Amino acid sequence: DTEVTQTPKHLVMGMTNKKSLKCEQHMGHRAMYWYKQKAKKPPELMFVYSYEKLSINESVPSRFSPECPNSSLLNLHLHALQPEDSALYLCASSRAREQYFGPGTRLTVT
Amino acid sequence: AQSVTQPDIHITVSEGASLELRCNYSYGATPYLFWYVQSPGQGLQLLLKYFSGDTLVQGIKGFEAEFKRSQSSFNLRKPSVHWSDAAEYFCAVGGYGGSQGNLIFGKGTKLSVKP
Repeated sequence: DTEVTQTPKHLVMGMTNKKSLKCEQHMGHRAMYWYKQKAKKPPELMFVYSYEKLSINESVPSRFSPECPNSSLLNLHLHALQPEDSALYLCASSRAREQYFGPGTRLTVT
Repeated sequence: AQSVTQPDIHITVSEGASLELRCNYSYGATPYLFWYVQSPGQGLQLLLKYFSGDTLVQGIKGFEAEFKRSQSSFNLRKPSVHWSDAAEYFCAVGGYGGSQGNLIFGKGTKLSVKP
């Protein structure tokens, strides 16, 4: 099973809202990732968790707050987002070098 | 600096025709190389990977890729394209940044398939 699940599939939020994206994997992978993907662009790395600890933050604005409650779950908390934050947010997990991606959450900020 | 170049932004092929998508990389050591496919609004699916060994690797959906160190290339091929192959294809290189397997993606090649 190489499945990474993400909820919700779609999210529309206002600039003053607080929302969260959720990612789950049961492959025993110990590294998990958040990516942001704008239309017609490759994914851009946002955060990396390794063994439930944040290991990489690619200078992401503080309105994005990641959380890894356990080895299977990864959350991305959103607060006071801007319209330019509208994008597809992808979660991935990896055991070694190969990453497996979830289907993404399509986020629209109004 | 590490980088991945996909020279073709958009390719159109006829159904049943052969396909080759180009990928060139710049990396200081032996790279880990990947091809991913993305259908509109979907996540990325791993097609195949190269870590070491046989330079011709087979993947899912009938795809293969050949690693050529002398040309710093990892081109993706398929002998006969199906309409369902229409999608965005990303080449990626990994292996830096410790054990997390961080990836550097190319800008992608959009494949359209003519009936």
